[in-house]
Amino acid sequence: GESVGLHLPTLSVQEGDNSIINCAYSNSASDYFIWYKQESGKGPQFIIDIRSNMDKRQGQRVTVLLNKTVKHLSLQIAATQPGDSAVYFCAENNQTTDSWGKLQFGAGTQVVVTP
Amino acid sequence: NAGVTQTPKFRILKIGQSMTLQCTQDMNHNYMYWYRQDPGMGLKLIYYSVGAGITDKGEVPNGYNVSRSTTEDFPLRLELAAPSQTSVYFCASSYSPTEASGANVLTFGAGSRLTVL
Repeated sequence: GESVGLHLPTLSVQEGDNSIINCAYSNSASDYFIWYKQESGKGPQFIIDIRSNMDKRQGQRVTVLLNKTVKHLSLQIAATQPGDSAVYFCAENNQTTDSWGKLQFGAGTQVVVTP
Repeated sequence: NAGVTQTPKFRILKIGQSMTLQCTQDMNHNYMYWYRQDPGMGLKLIYYSVGAGITDKGEVPNGYNVSRSTTEDFPLRLELAAPSQTSVYFCASSYSPTEASGANVLTFGAGSRLTVL
């Protein structure tokens, strides 16, 4: 079946720099995308979401960009801090079907923030 | 406000043993889910429930059973543990689509690490 995947398994970022985490998806029917952050030993935490009728959405220090033409999603973290070290997952589903909550998760990207 | 609470945090089982992973939430969410996470992989949905008395299979339901007798509790049962069930299990909950206005935000528990030897 179609799935969500990530380009880079590990991203090393210097403290204070901006981070960009990429995600490719192949299910053209997906209309909702969401990013989660998972710190070591904890459950995933919601960061930001975006619907397919948008191409950009901003939160606090984070921006999600959606390019439907190439089926690409990215998460940008501004001024990366040590507390941003975690695994980041993108997930998607199609909200027009009965798949509410049945998110398809990518494999995750490990972000390591160095001093 | 505790959110989603899972017990136990860690458990080691022998092949063929059975056990129940407990999950309870205090947010009055109608929807609840069980995911498993294998090393270096994303989360895969095992079972989900849209309300008390209603459960449905997810992507990887084989070897598991669930029940939903109350809104708060959603236990996951392993009847005959197998090494392939070694994983970290996450319970999650969310509002229904109508309540959440389309924001499919799941609240996850801290996870239960299960090892089957």
